[in-house]
Amino acid sequence: QKEVEQDPGPLSVPEGAIVSLNCTYSNSAFQYFMWYRQYSRKGPELLMYTYSSGNKEDGRFTAQVDKSSKYISLFIRDSQPSDSATYLCAMSAEGGNNRKLIWGLGTSLAVNP
Amino acid sequence: DADVTQTPRNRITKTGKRIMLECSQTKGHDRMYWYRQDPGLGLRLIYYSFDVKDINKGEISDGYSVSRQAQAKFSLSLESAIPNQTALYFCATSELTTPNTGELFFGEGSRLTVL
Repeated sequence: QKEVEQDPGPLSVPEGAIVSLNCTYSNSAFQYFMWYRQYSRKGPELLMYTYSSGNKEDGRFTAQVDKSSKYISLFIRDSQPSDSATYLCAMSAEGGNNRKLIWGLGTSLAVNP
Repeated sequence: DADVTQTPRNRITKTGKRIMLECSQTKGHDRMYWYRQDPGLGLRLIYYSFDVKDINKGEISDGYSVSRQAQAKFSLSLESAIPNQTALYFCATSELTTPNTGELFFGEGSRLTVL
């Protein structure tokens, strides 16, 4: 079993839909959770960063962490065609320690006009 | 101009050839990384460097070597390329911040095909 599981999709939604992207993990020591967005032919870029449990909101994006279920989610409200990308979750037990960052495989999202 | 620049962006080569992928950055970050991305395997860390005199192996360093020529430059070499090194390679940088999120800044990638 991989430490981090992420459904690769692809996920296709109409413009304006609410999108839910999810990752599950097995290591209870993980406390730092990130969502990166990767456009086609580009490198990933950090979208959301969350420490421990709870919600974090940034504009149309909400990151949610449920440590008791070992489950993290990224919600996109009022999705736009410009949100079409691959979304990668990443997590670690140590803040800022990219040497031990564990990545999901990414979920491909297409938002159709 | 991109803050993290990778060259070449695309390269096709033959088995046994030596290949160098170059990365330069204008972000002023001390920490630099090389990753490869494969379908079904995701992003995997090859090598990382926290300053010019520091080189460390990552998860999958076999068959690769690196050189940190300056704070801004970090090169990845494949001494004798093999087909299973066909992948998308990313250079990334980060810096120590407070709080230390470890945010990675990626280049646009170098697509390498080994025939």
